[in-house]
Amino acid sequence: DVKVTQSSRYLVKRTGEKVFLECVQDMDHENMFWYRQDPGLGLRLIYFSYDVKMKEKGDIPEGYSVSREKKERFSLILESASTNQTSMYLCASSFLDRGNSPLHFGNGTRLTVT
Amino acid sequence: QKEVEQNSGPLSVPEGAIASLNCTYSDRGSQSFFWYRQYSGKSPELIMSIYSNGDKEDGRFTAQLNKASQYVSLLIRDSQPSDSATYLCAVRGWTGNQFYFGTGTSLTVIP
Repeated sequence: DVKVTQSSRYLVKRTGEKVFLECVQDMDHENMFWYRQDPGLGLRLIYFSYDVKMKEKGDIPEGYSVSREKKERFSLILESASTNQTSMYLCASSFLDRGNSPLHFGNGTRLTVT
Repeated sequence: QKEVEQNSGPLSVPEGAIASLNCTYSDRGSQSFFWYRQYSGKSPELIMSIYSNGDKEDGRFTAQLNKASQYVSLLIRDSQPSDSATYLCAVRGWTGNQFYFGTGTSLTVIP
């Protein structure tokens, strides 16, 4: 079974803090993704990566950065957390070249910024 | 125009009935289509994938794909209260690097 592991299930941070969300997958997937999910807005793509040290902006990259130093690990960084970044964050991964490969999600991190 | 659109619901069906969930997509080059189920407070889990026109059945679930109409559907037969969740339609873009999601349809199965 594919396993995508997010380091924290719940996080509470203060405004202005630098926040790191970590994600590790064990299936040798090339693609890794970070989404946020808010009621009524659905899943919104923040960043994705198709290779080590490669990153592509998604729909809402402002206020976020990412790091992919190893194939299995993809980190999301909130440089200076703000209350409007309170959300559920979902990491996901997939194969790159296998067009039929689905997206596999981690358990999610519910981040609250106060 | 959104890449993927779903009837947002909420959809309520009695236990034992058939629930029908619908999805349309805009990218004619899309090749892979997925249905995810998401319980409240949990992450999405894959329940069906379909790549060819026609029907694909897996237990109580049937996915239907019509590429000419750019339409994907999910039928849940003999609906159970445990099927109550939000169902997300996802389409893999032709480049293979991106997945596009609908906003989800909330389903409630009434005992």
